[in-house]
Amino acid sequence: ETGVTQSPTHLIKTRGQQVTLRCSSQSGHNTVSWYQQALGQGPQFIFQYYREEENGRGNFPPRFSGLQFPNYSSELNVNALELDDSALYLCASSFEAEETQYFGPGTRLLVL
Amino acid sequence: DQQVKQNSPSLSVQEGRISILNCDYTNSMFDYFLWYKKYPAEGPTFLISISSIKDKNEDGRFTVFLNKSAKHLSLHIVPSQPGDSAVYFCAASEYGGSQGNLIFGKGTKLSVKP
Repeated sequence: ETGVTQSPTHLIKTRGQQVTLRCSSQSGHNTVSWYQQALGQGPQFIFQYYREEENGRGNFPPRFSGLQFPNYSSELNVNALELDDSALYLCASSFEAEETQYFGPGTRLLVL
Repeated sequence: DQQVKQNSPSLSVQEGRISILNCDYTNSMFDYFLWYKKYPAEGPTFLISISSIKDKNEDGRFTVFLNKSAKHLSLHIVPSQPGDSAVYFCAASEYGGSQGNLIFGKGTKLSVKP
């Protein structure tokens, strides 16, 4: 059974650019959540997708958007990057009957 | 306003002794609590969880205690091992562990010394 995978592992962008991060869910999982973890902080919920529909959103501006595909993989898109967007972006997948969400290794984004 | 607080940024324990990590929360609507462990360059790994209808859950060396009246939970690791050295995050949810957003604390860095 393959766990949650994310790509790329690291990324450097400049302010104002756009970025797309990718996540492959664990087999059998139909829910994907995205979190942002700034340095010294705990992960903060961005949004969740359940069966290709957005199923909840945290306190992030609309320039953070996402997609979930029929195979339950997902993308996180961030437009007009700001310096404060520099963080570790974590993807987590889950299934309704599970007791937890399973996290990928993350993508570390640096905005210069 | 932080809904989940881990007030100890770090904890150092001798191998073989008990590690106690603490977590406080403010939202009385939380009905599910989880502990995750995170090594550098890896994502958080699920350790143990507890529903708000219970006050204790045990899994091997790990035990989580929940005190709803005090809005406090703790993770006990007995005996502590050097491989337990990691950052531990407490998380809470209003909708169970798999659905909805998890609210995380800032983490406690545990160091277990041989």
